[in-house]
Formats: sequence, structure tokens, C-alpha cells
Amino acid sequence: KAGVTQTPRYLIKTRGQQVTLSCSPISGHRSVSWYQQTPGQGLQFLFEYFSETQRNKGNFPGRFSGRQFSNSRSEMNVSTLELGDSALYLCASSSFTGHEQYFGPGTRLTVT
Amino acid sequence: DAKTTQPPSMDCAEGRAANLPCNHSTISGNEYVYWYRQIHSQGPQYIIHGLKNNETNEMASLIITEDRKSSTLILPHATLRDTAVYYCIVSSGSSNTGKLIFGQGTTLQVKP
Repeated sequence: KAGVTQTPRYLIKTRGQQVTLSCSPISGHRSVSWYQQTPGQGLQFLFEYFSETQRNKGNFPGRFSGRQFSNSRSEMNVSTLELGDSALYLCASSSFTGHEQYFGPGTRLTVT
Repeated sequence: DAKTTQPPSMDCAEGRAANLPCNHSTISGNEYVYWYRQIHSQGPQYIIHGLKNNETNEMASLIITEDRKSSTLILPHATLRDTAVYYCIVSSGSSNTGKLIFGQGTTLQVKP
């Protein structure tokens, strides 16, 4: 079956703008998690959505938000972009009973 | 979630077994040990997980000490394609499966 897909793959934005990233999980998976990866901070958990509800949340400011739709697709939004938001944003999905998370290829966001 | 300690880097000769250690001395009884790896610029990939018993799958073996305070991931016959950053993560699974707290991991370099 198809893996986790993320769109767009690359994005360039200007400071102060906002951005929306999209993630389509593996068919049948109801949990979608988002991570930010930077050279300085490594991989950091942003939040997880399960059945359209935020189930877990990391330690990020309110500028970072997300949502999940009834078909389990998820979006994350970053408002008022800062230079430090430049990162690889990864999405992962998992099934209700599974332990493993399946990661997408990521969206590379550059803020100038 | 319990913290983990891993060596920052290791080398392994191609064809030999790679043994990657992880210390998780504060692990609690309901927490699992998960291993993921990330090959450069790709999303992390699930390798294996375990609770108490040793586990083996087509990719690797996981050896957990009897007191569960440490574990070792074994890649039986390392290839150049196994060069990656390997992450050991402790999590309670279930509703926390979607929330992985990544450390710095071990960079494994497989050499010809």
C-alpha cells in the first residue's frame, strides 16, 4: 500500500508569512504525528492527532497548530514565520494497534 | 518518558555485526524500547521494538537486559546501506505511540 505522503516537498517563505503543510497517512491509519528537524535541535515532536483530536502535544509555541480531517489527512500551520522555523517537517502515521510509526519524506521549509 | 543515552558515533566493517548500545536506566515497567534509524535526508524508519524479551525481525535483533536498564540493537551483517543515525527511544506505547521523543542518536558508519 502507498506510504505517507507530504506536500509540498519544498517551500520557501518570507519572515512574517504563514504556511500550511499537508500530510496523507497510510490508508487505515488514524494517528498522524508531526515533527520538526533542525541541525541544532534535532528531531522534535510537535503534536499528534488521532481521530480528529489532538492527543499529544510537544513544547512549541502557539504559532504552530494542526488539524486532522475525517479521512485522517492532516495539516499543520505555522503563522508569523521566523527564520528559526526553517527546518525539515516530518509527518508520521500509525495504526490503532501498531507500535511502529511510518514517516513521510518530509517538507523542507526555508524562511528568508 | 524515560531518557536514553547512546554513544554519538560508531564504526563497523561491512559484513560484520553492528552492535549499538543504549542505556535507559530510568525505564518504567510499562515502557517499551523502540529503535528507529534515519538515513541522510530521509524520514526515520522503524526497526524494532521490545518490552522485556529479546526480539528479532528481518532487519535486526533487540537484546534487552534482564533489569531492562539497557539494550543492544544488533544488525547481523552490516552493509554500506546501513550507514545512518540510529535512535533508541523509550515510550509507553498505546496512546503515546504517536509521540516519540528523539535524542541525538548514534551515527553508525559502515566501512568497506
